[in-house]
Amino acid sequence: EAGVAQSPRYKIIEKRQSVAFWCNPISGHATLYWYQQILGQGPKLLIQFQNNGVVDDSQLPKDRFSAERLKGVDSTLKIQPAKLEDSAVYLCASQGVRGGGEQYFGPGTRLTVT
Amino acid sequence: AQSVTQPDIHITVSEGASLELRCNYSYGATPYLFWYVQSPGQGLQLLLKYFSGDTLVQGIKGFEAEFKRSQSSFNLRKPSVHWSDAAEYFCAVGSMEYGNKLVFGAGTILRVKS
Repeated sequence: EAGVAQSPRYKIIEKRQSVAFWCNPISGHATLYWYQQILGQGPKLLIQFQNNGVVDDSQLPKDRFSAERLKGVDSTLKIQPAKLEDSAVYLCASQGVRGGGEQYFGPGTRLTVT
Repeated sequence: AQSVTQPDIHITVSEGASLELRCNYSYGATPYLFWYVQSPGQGLQLLLKYFSGDTLVQGIKGFEAEFKRSQSSFNLRKPSVHWSDAAEYFCAVGSMEYGNKLVFGAGTILRVKS
C-alpha cells in the first residue's frame, strides 16, 4: 500500500511570510497527526484529527498555526505569519483502526525561516 | 505528565559490536511503547512495538527490545551492528487512554565505526 505523502519536501521563507504544508494519509486511515520536529529534539504533537474532527490541538500555537482536514482525508497545516523559531521538520502521520496504535509517518517537510 | 528520557544523545559502536539504547518513561496510563528509526532526510520508520504480553519483542532489521515495568524502561538492543544502522533512534510512548498520541524522547544518534 502507498505510504503517507507530504509536500513540499523543503520550503524556505522569510519571517512574517505564510506557508502551507499538505499531507495525504494512507487510504482508509481515520486518524491523522501533525508533529513538529525541531533540530536535536524528538517530534512533538501539534494536532490530532479523527476523520475530519479535531481530537487534540492543545499544543498548536493557534495565533499563527492552523490546520484542517476536509472530508476526513487530506490535511493542510498553515503557518501565518512565520517566525524564526518555526524552522523545523513537520511530520504527518496516520493511523488505522487495525494495527493497534501504530502510526505511519510521511517523509516530512523541512521548513527554514530566515 | 507523560515523558520519555533517552539518556544518551550520541553513541558510537564498532561494526559487529553489540548495541543497547536506553529508554525510560514516565506515564500515567498503561503504555504502548515504540522504537522508531530516522535516517537523514527521512521520515520515521517503526522498528518494533510493545502493547502487551511477552515483554521481549522482536522487530525489523534484527532489533529487539525488552519492556521492564518495574524499571519503567524499554531498551533497544541488537547483537551485531551493521554500518547501515547508523541513524537516529527515537523511543516513544502512547496509550489508548490518551488518544494514542505519541510522546517522543529526544533521540539517540548512533554512529558506527568500521
